[in-house]
Amino acid sequence: DTGVSQNPRHKITKRGQNVTFRCDPISEHNRLYWYRQTLGQGPEFLTYFQNEAQLEKSRLLSDRFSAERPKGSFSTLEIQRTEQGDSAMYLCASSLAPGIQPQHFGDGTRLSIL
Amino acid sequence: KQEVTQIPAALSVPEGENLVLNCSFTDSAIYNLQWFRQDPGKGLTSLLLIQSSQREQTSGRLNASLDKSSGRSTLYIAASQPGDSATYLCAVLYNTDKLIFGTGTRLQVFP
Repeated sequence: DTGVSQNPRHKITKRGQNVTFRCDPISEHNRLYWYRQTLGQGPEFLTYFQNEAQLEKSRLLSDRFSAERPKGSFSTLEIQRTEQGDSAMYLCASSLAPGIQPQHFGDGTRLSIL
Repeated sequence: KQEVTQIPAALSVPEGENLVLNCSFTDSAIYNLQWFRQDPGKGLTSLLLIQSSQREQTSGRLNASLDKSSGRSTLYIAASQPGDSATYLCAVLYNTDKLIFGTGTRLQVFP
């Protein structure tokens, strides 16, 4: 069990650029979640997958955001035409048995928009 | 609306004190409740998970209780140490399988 891995750890980009983050969940976990956390706040849910199927998307996930989990293993979160308000920590979590076992979080990707 | 509130927002205590962190939630139809620890600039570490049918869970110096009917949970930390300094987050899971987080309690334990 190597834990949830997220890359990159930090991303600095100019407004208007596209960015992509990657999350590798714990290997046998079929549920994968994305959350966003701004300074001084708790994480907010963005979306989650059951294997490769995206089951729910938050209204926070505007049409500039897209997430994929093509083979039910790793996931990517892409933000197009980044805006200042996108600056946040993007956290990925995975779980094996939803509602029974805890969600395990990675260390996140911190996005800073210049 | 499903909301989670944590009190206090910040807490500073001398080493060795026993302390209680509070979490309240508006909708009592929960699946479970999790307590997490977050160090600055890091992700979340799961501390304790309490199922809706349980009243408490213990791990080492940590004890979490759950009172669904009143919409409350407490995290008790015994004999606090400087290494316990972190932000503690409470999160509730409903049938939508997404965690609803509080804003956290920032704890500082000084020697």
